[in-house]
Amino acid sequence: DAEITQSPRHKITETGRQVTLACHQTWNHNNMFWYRQDLGHGLRLIHYSYGVQDTNKGEVSDGYSVSRSNTEDLPLTLESAASSQTSVYFCASSESGSGHEQYFGPGTRLTVT
Amino acid sequence: GQQLNQSPQSMFIQEGEDVSMNCTSSSIFNTWLWYKQEPGEGPVLLIALYKAGELTSNGRLTAQFGITRKDSFLNISASIPSDVGIYFCAGQDAGGTSYGKLTFGQGTILTVHP
Repeated sequence: DAEITQSPRHKITETGRQVTLACHQTWNHNNMFWYRQDLGHGLRLIHYSYGVQDTNKGEVSDGYSVSRSNTEDLPLTLESAASSQTSVYFCASSESGSGHEQYFGPGTRLTVT
Repeated sequence: GQQLNQSPQSMFIQEGEDVSMNCTSSSIFNTWLWYKQEPGEGPVLLIALYKAGELTSNGRLTAQFGITRKDSFLNISASIPSDVGIYFCAGQDAGGTSYGKLTFGQGTILTVHP
């Protein structure tokens, strides 16, 4: 069955380190999204991509970057981790265009000490 | 930016009771989605709505896309303990540079007492 996976599921890192979170989907979806989830803020969009070589900033993109070299993967990089980036991160994907449902991965819990 | 107001923030109910929650927006959406999230998991899609006025059911769940396109509600009938979780609404804008992106409500935390 097609699916969307994230790795690692849990990560502890130190302030200032570079961290990359992986997202892989096997639906062949063109659209992919990264969110962070924090108490009191719900799900907030970090970056998104509509296809290979396309990336766009979401509402909370500072300190994060993404790259899209193939359809299946959209890794999220924290250039220099900060304690404010301690959160649960979710990746999602959907078919091209609008009017299509987004399907979410299981999440990565990141702690920055 | 667009704002979604989801209410109530939390509900504590007895097993067997019906549940109702809703979302209102400051602007219109072309698609409304309802998700459920359980602890340690990602949100799972429950119901998708594509037309103003649309009423859609999925088992004990019923959701409606408001006529004004600025609101949606979700009902759960005859609640059971496994309905526990956080329920999120999400609106999708079809236009311009926002296409495909979702705006999420803050979530409704549902607790069901046996």
